Amino acid sequence: NAGVTQTPKFQVLKTGQSMTLQCAQDMNHEYMSWYRQDPGMGLRLIHYSVGAGITDQGEVPNGYNVSRSTTEDFPLRLLSAAPSQTSVYFCASSSRRRTSGKDTDTQYFGPGTRLTVL
Amino acid sequence: LAKTTQPISMDSYEGQEVNITCSHNNIATNDYITWYQQFPSQGPRFIIQGYKTKVTNEVASLFIPADRKSSTLSLPRVSLSDTAVYYCLVARLQTGANNLFFGTGTRLTVIP
Repeated sequence: NAGVTQTPKFQVLKTGQSMTLQCAQDMNHEYMSWYRQDPGMGLRLIHYSVGAGITDQGEVPNGYNVSRSTTEDFPLRLLSAAPSQTSVYFCASSSRRRTSGKDTDTQYFGPGTRLTVL
Repeated sequence: LAKTTQPISMDSYEGQEVNITCSHNNIATNDYITWYQQFPSQGPRFIIQGYKTKVTNEVASLFIPADRKSSTLSLPRVSLSDTAVYYCLVARLQTGANNLFFGTGTRLTVIP
């Protein structure tokens, strides 16, 4: 299995441009998420999906759109890039399992996309 | 979800055991604890997960006291390759969704 893959690895945009960050997973996971990580900070949730056709907002959704037409793919769209969106973006997919009799979730992260908006 | 507090940084010599403690005073009944490791320019990697008492796998142990208000990640005999940021998360599966909130983590530096 390739796990979670992300493309591109690096991208430079000008303010106002749009683009799509690609994310794919081959583990048949229902749950997928997008995070951004800024220098010196932890990851912040942008959007997530609990299955094909179902998406919802996370902590910092403004300026981003997502869709989930298949189980495997979860693209993140920047509609009009702004310098504040300069960050490293991570996609993750999740599997659920039982831990000490409780349902828990384990996320598998992709390698990230480093985005710079000028 | 319960807020977590962990040391910003730690240093350790190679070969030593490292214990990183995370405080989560407001943990709820159905919350569980997960630790992730992140190397520079890489995505976080799952290390270990637990709900109560002790969990051990091939890379680490997780100790959770009875009141569950804290947890300790134990890395036995660290090597230089264990230098990374370690995140403690408290999460709860919600109907149809799961949200993970990462703090700033603990930056572990292993010294030769």
